[in-house]
Amino acid sequence: DSGVTQTPKHLITATGQRVTLRCSPRSGDLSVYWYQQSLDQGLQFLIQYYNGEERAKGNILERFSAQQFPDLHSELNLSSLELGDSALYFCASSVAIAGGNTGELFFGEGSRLTVL
Amino acid sequence: GENVEQHPSTLSVQEGDSAVIKCTYSDSASNYFPWYKQELGKRPQLIIDIRSNVGEKKDQRIAVTLNKTAKHFSLHITETQPEDSAVYFCAASGRLTDKLIFGTGTRLQVFP
Repeated sequence: DSGVTQTPKHLITATGQRVTLRCSPRSGDLSVYWYQQSLDQGLQFLIQYYNGEERAKGNILERFSAQQFPDLHSELNLSSLELGDSALYFCASSVAIAGGNTGELFFGEGSRLTVL
Repeated sequence: GENVEQHPSTLSVQEGDSAVIKCTYSDSASNYFPWYKQELGKRPQLIIDIRSNVGEKKDQRIAVTLNKTAKHFSLHITETQPEDSAVYFCAASGRLTDKLIFGTGTRLQVFP
């Protein structure tokens, strides 16, 4: 158990719909990352938050948005869903010392999104 | 932009043989290079990492080497076992931030 909790584990929805994925980081971790993993694909970096603020942005679509709340949990919102958005969405957290000193990322079990 | 290339995409070895996976990165400011193992249906987990001030690091049967000049790093697994079968991802830290950019992954199969 990594200590990172993601909900829901599975989600099936239709095209055009909107979903919210939730992530609770490990206790004490200030940084939250979101990654997308499509079938048999790599880990595409979407976005990172540090202590409530957006810190880095990757290949995140405009239809997607995220935020980190004061209690450090994070939500990834996916809207106007398309078939191609079907993927495993991972949240990860780290201590993330300020100044660019990356540490180990602890991944949650992922939220598997299926868009029909 | 930042990019990490990983080769090979698949690798099959006989149990007991060695396996080598190679990655190159584009951002010369990258200073942290971890390797993650992802078993089927599971989350990625860190197996070893190296920082830019070190050229080589070893942990039992796995080792990582880093060549900063060539912007190249490699994972070496010796005496492979069937339980080493998984997808392995390399990663590099981004410029001036602590985000990680992952390679495309290597599916390693170890045959008994």
